[in-house]
Amino acid sequence: EAGVAQSPRYKIIEKRQSVAFWCNPISGHATLYWYQQILGQGPKLLIQFQNNGVVDDSQLPKDRFSAERLKGVDSTLKIQPAKLEDSAVYLCASSLEKPTGGETQYFGPGTRLLVL
Amino acid sequence: GQNIDQPTEMTATEGAIVQINCTYQTSGFNGLFWYQQHAGEAPTFLSYNVLDGLEEKGRFSSFLSRSKGYSYLLLKELQMKDSASYLCAVYGGATNKLIFGTGTLLAVQP
Repeated sequence: EAGVAQSPRYKIIEKRQSVAFWCNPISGHATLYWYQQILGQGPKLLIQFQNNGVVDDSQLPKDRFSAERLKGVDSTLKIQPAKLEDSAVYLCASSLEKPTGGETQYFGPGTRLLVL
Repeated sequence: GQNIDQPTEMTATEGAIVQINCTYQTSGFNGLFWYQQHAGEAPTFLSYNVLDGLEEKGRFSSFLSRSKGYSYLLLKELQMKDSASYLCAVYGGATNKLIFGTGTLLAVQP
């Protein structure tokens, strides 16, 4: 079974530029998550989709971050404009169902973003 | 509020046993996960506890006490490849999301 795919793996941009990340979840997984992991910290949830609907985006900085999952499969996360503090690893994860508890999330390899 | 605490770093010797502790305070609880994360890689699932007690899976075991808000991950017969960060994560909060601790960086020495 193929895992969660993400691209690009690495990205270097200058502050105020825009960047987009792509994620393809495990086939059949209805729930998709985007996390931000700053060096030395645990992942922090940015947004959670159930099929193509948003379940939780309470920690997404909506003035600069946006995400979509138009057909309920692939997803893109965009930052516009980027700030220095956005330097982090952006992890995509997926799970079979909407988590009421206990649904294991499977993570992709992440996109490592450096904002200069 | 939500709070998950685990030691920042630990060191252990190859072949030994190590216990990584995690304490949590969350509004609501629907299970606790342990993930392993090697440097530069994605977190991978190790274990899940929702009821009190010990769950054993090969060299790894995880324990949960809901009344104490406490869990530990036990790694036996340590190998060099076990050097990694170990993340404790709780399903909780008002929107039932996975909340991660900062991780414990384990260094296994020969």
